[in-house]
Amino acid sequence: AQSVTQLGSHVSVSEGALVLLRCNYSSSVPPYLFWYVQYPNQGLQLLLKYTSAATLVKGINGFEAEFKKSETSFHLTKPSAHMSDAAEYFCAVNSGGSNYKLTFGKGTLLTVNP
Amino acid sequence: GAVVSQHPSWVICKSGTSVKIECRSLDFQATTMFWYRQFPKQSLMLMATSNEGSKATYEQGVEKDKFLINHASLTLSTLTVTSAHPEDSSFYICSARSVIQETQYFGPGTRLLVL
Repeated sequence: AQSVTQLGSHVSVSEGALVLLRCNYSSSVPPYLFWYVQYPNQGLQLLLKYTSAATLVKGINGFEAEFKKSETSFHLTKPSAHMSDAAEYFCAVNSGGSNYKLTFGKGTLLTVNP
Repeated sequence: GAVVSQHPSWVICKSGTSVKIECRSLDFQATTMFWYRQFPKQSLMLMATSNEGSKATYEQGVEKDKFLINHASLTLSTLTVTSAHPEDSSFYICSARSVIQETQYFGPGTRLLVL
């Protein structure tokens, strides 16, 4: 079984401040982990993914995430928030298997204040 | 690369009618596509997994006769909401799995409103 917990349904930061969105996972096998971003009334866009290569993963728009097996975490960070980063962010896990299903967290809404 | 389209982007229909939503992978082949439903301010709920050339696998609680899925080619899957009712109003999102990149790529979603 696999599951994802995103701590904080809403995170608010000032423009230029550090962004930290938390994600913890549960998986019985080495997982693949993903962060997706969703803008209002749109589908999901892949930000970055971890697939058992380097533990520090760099994605688009200046985001990165670090896979920490000991903490079962995959937190998303960005050094300096931009107004355009305001969106809903979803962490997802895939524990392999023939069905390739993703299990999503409940999402974190990021607001960026000027 | 890895673009997924959905059509239509929004649809309004009367109660009792059927609505078909198309999901296409534009620049890659997808042996597996997924259909999700998303309620306002909530996460995505997986409805079914669609495999090319075989029957879809539905998640528990999803009526297969209500939500008909067809995956006739490596680039196209369709979801038909049969005899739609107001409670079927939602945002439906598909994704297509890229075998090469081991990643699901998502369509832009279809907003369905049943009156």
